[in-house]
Amino acid sequence: DIQMTQSPSSVSASVGDRVTITCRASQGLSASRSPLAWYQQKPGKAPKLLIYDASTLQTGVPSRFSGSGSGTDFTLTISSLQPEDFATYYCQQAGSVPWTFGQGTKVEVK
Amino acid sequence: EVQLVESGGGLAQPGGSLRLSCAASGFIFSSYWMTWVRQAPGKGLEWVGCINVDGNEKYYVDSVKGRFTISRDNAKNSLYLQMNSLRVEDTALYYCARHVVGSRSFDYWGQGSLVTVSS
Repeated sequence: DIQMTQSPSSVSASVGDRVTITCRASQGLSASRSPLAWYQQKPGKAPKLLIYDASTLQTGVPSRFSGSGSGTDFTLTISSLQPEDFATYYCQQAGSVPWTFGQGTKVEVK
Repeated sequence: EVQLVESGGGLAQPGGSLRLSCAASGFIFSSYWMTWVRQAPGKGLEWVGCINVDGNEKYYVDSVKGRFTISRDNAKNSLYLQMNSLRVEDTALYYCARHVVGSRSFDYWGQGSLVTVSS
């Protein structure tokens, strides 16, 4: 199984900060379309898709969210943190079954 | 408006069975792959399995293979998760989710159905 490791596990940040979350796969994801997604989850709510295929912004997601990377290393960047962005973020690989999620990164108020 | 509504969760004893349903509306259900994801209390997300548009292609995480079965009824716009031989470690909130077309990511999720396995 491909293991997904996110770092950091938590980050304390302020409104307006640039936040970067990294996701590393234990083996390279397939070269075509980099099947890596990012989700945001708030307490008591279902996850929300932010980015898919590593860098494609889901419809309706603010442009302050961006994704990059390929192979084994992927990044989610929030360019200017907003109050509604405090949440837990998960990466998910779909390069090979079983599809797996990272352990999550909690973005907290500094 | 796309909606996914899970039902069928509850309390089961170890070794018991439950069947979750996911009612879909607001989109052409028969055109989308569907997935089940679970989240144990206070823990992260775990992909459980998925099913293709016709129901003849299914994949599962190893921990549920041989115990859980995903199925769908396109005429009823419904997705199912039959869970047998339940274990305490299957306790979780179970979400159904729709795949992005042409991708293996999930763009719409239900609110979840809680399954508790305990004696």
